[in-house]
Amino acid sequence: DSGVTQTPKHLITATGQRVTLRCSPRSGDLSVYWYQQSLDQGLQFLIQYYNGEERAKGNILERFSAQQFPDLHSELNLSSLELGDSALYFCASSVDVTGSEKLFFGSGTQLSVL
Amino acid sequence: GENVEQHPSTLSVQEGDSAVIKCTYSDSASNYFPWYKQELGKGPQLIIDIRSNVGEKKDQRIAVTLNKTAKHFSLHITETQPEDSAVYFCAANDYKLSFGAGTTVTVRA
Repeated sequence: DSGVTQTPKHLITATGQRVTLRCSPRSGDLSVYWYQQSLDQGLQFLIQYYNGEERAKGNILERFSAQQFPDLHSELNLSSLELGDSALYFCASSVDVTGSEKLFFGSGTQLSVL
Repeated sequence: GENVEQHPSTLSVQEGDSAVIKCTYSDSASNYFPWYKQELGKGPQLIIDIRSNVGEKKDQRIAVTLNKTAKHFSLHITETQPEDSAVYFCAANDYKLSFGAGTTVTVRA
């Protein structure tokens, strides 16, 4: 158990809908990262938050947004969903902000857009 | 940004043999190179990492080598066991961790 909790584990929805993925980091970790894993794209970095502030952005679509709350949990919001958004979404956390340290990954949320 | 290429995409080895996975990166500023193992239904888990001031690091049956001049690094698993079967990802860090596409390793009994 990594200590990172992601909910829900599975999500099935329809095109055009909006969903929210939730992540609780390990106790004491201030950084939260979101990654998208699809079969043909590997692990793609989406966005990083550190202590409530956005710190780095990757290939995140404008239809996607995220935030980190004062209690350090984070949410990833996906809107106007398309079939191609179907993927496994991982949250990871770490103590530091640099990215040059161990990331602890949750078990992921499997999103299926039908 | 950083671009990490990983080879091979699949690797099948006989139990007891060695497995080698190779990665190249593009950004010479990258200074941290971790390897993650992902088992079915789970998130990736760090198994070993190396920083740019070190050329080689070993942890039991796992070793990683880094060649900064050539911008490549490799994972070596010796005496492979069935529990080594998993997907392995290399990564390199500039301002964020960029992952390779992954290698599916199958250890045949």
